[in-house]
Amino acid sequence: DGGITQSPKYLFRKEGQNVTLSCEQNLNHDAMYWYRQDPGQGLRLIYYSQIVNDFQKGDIAEGYSVSREKKESFPLTVTSAQKNPTAFYLCASSIFGSGSNEQFFGPGTRLTVL
Amino acid sequence: AQRVTQPEKLLSVFKGAPVELKCNYSYSGSPELFWYVQYSRQRLQLLLRHISRESIKGFTADLNKGETSFHLKKPFAQEEDSAMYYCALSGGGTSYGKLTFGQGTILTVHP
Repeated sequence: DGGITQSPKYLFRKEGQNVTLSCEQNLNHDAMYWYRQDPGQGLRLIYYSQIVNDFQKGDIAEGYSVSREKKESFPLTVTSAQKNPTAFYLCASSIFGSGSNEQFFGPGTRLTVL
Repeated sequence: AQRVTQPEKLLSVFKGAPVELKCNYSYSGSPELFWYVQYSRQRLQLLLRHISRESIKGFTADLNKGETSFHLKKPFAQEEDSAMYYCALSGGGTSYGKLTFGQGTILTVHP
């Protein structure tokens, strides 16, 4: 089932707290991505990384931070600066530079801010 | 800038009827277009992409560069086709590898 895992499945956070979402892949993919999925808005790109130790802001990076210290891992931190963090978060990976941009998705983490 | 528009949030059809999910895009170069599907309680997965010109689960999609569209079609819908469908675009240059998604269409196929 995929090779991309996300944890936890559900996460609850109090306002003002930072929280980190985990994403791991064993597909040996170079590129990894974080999306936010909201009803009626589709998937919006938060951050992406095409290579270890490098990452780029996506369309809605404000209030989020990432790191890419290992090829297999791309954790996302939702900071207290994110105004509306309650959402479903999806991680994806792909083989960068293969000529195909197919992305493979994890099962997602649903974050709820109380 | 690249943009993908799916004009229908909801689409309902009866089993056996034809179905067409619309997707229009805006991109100045030659894009790569995809359809992704998310069934209930399953992860988002690739359904098909225009470069492979395949028919997957009876679905087809043709890239129309003149109309900048990539509509998804199936001649006879099945109940198991009920899902959320996303159209996505990948460009080149600095956008290479990034996907821009449409807002999604929830397809419901009634028995």
